[in-house]
Amino acid sequence: DADVTQTPRNRITKTGKRIMLECSQTKGHDRMYWYRQDPGLGLRLIYYSFDVKDINKGEISDGYSVSRQAQAKFSLSLESAIPNQTALYFCATSVGLAGLNEQFFGPGTRLTVL
Amino acid sequence: AQSVTQLGSHVSVSEGALVLLRCNYSSSVPPYLFWYVQYPNQGLQLLLKYTSAATLVKGINGFEAEFKKSETSFHLTKPSAHMSDAAEYFCAVTNAGNNRKLIWGLGTSLAVNP
Repeated sequence: DADVTQTPRNRITKTGKRIMLECSQTKGHDRMYWYRQDPGLGLRLIYYSFDVKDINKGEISDGYSVSRQAQAKFSLSLESAIPNQTALYFCATSVGLAGLNEQFFGPGTRLTVL
Repeated sequence: AQSVTQLGSHVSVSEGALVLLRCNYSSSVPPYLFWYVQYPNQGLQLLLKYTSAATLVKGINGFEAEFKKSETSFHLTKPSAHMSDAAEYFCAVTNAGNNRKLIWGLGTSLAVNP
């Protein structure tokens, strides 16, 4: 079984709809991240969480919110989806401060907003 | 502030030829450096990492990278390309301080021609 799982893997939605992307991990890591990937723009950090009570905005958090329901679960929500949020979304995890911040990625969610 | 520059968004090589993917970084403190690979329709996985031990780092699938402080570079090489090496490659550096978020390059797409 994969250590970092994301659901759904693909989603098509309409402008204005609320959508949630979910991430679960069995690695026991404290830190979790949400990124979006767009062609030519690399990976951009949306939100990150160092533990259940510590959530931080990344470089492109506008239009997104997150919830860290447990150490193993980190959800990303788009409150009112818009077409320029069409992208590939990745969840990642890493060990805490003592580690070298090597990150482990889920398989991604491809989101299309019409 | 730390940054990463990957020279060449697209690189094309023939099967059996040398692979060279370039990465330059800027950092005011000794960095930790990473190369990740993303195969089509998959998440990112770690190829190799530099952690201030040996300057020549060997990774998976025959890849290696050399940390050159004087050139602020961490180029990725493989002596002989294989068709299965076709993928997107990302260089990343940790930032200074306690946060240790990864700073990502924009990626290089490697094509391997028969």
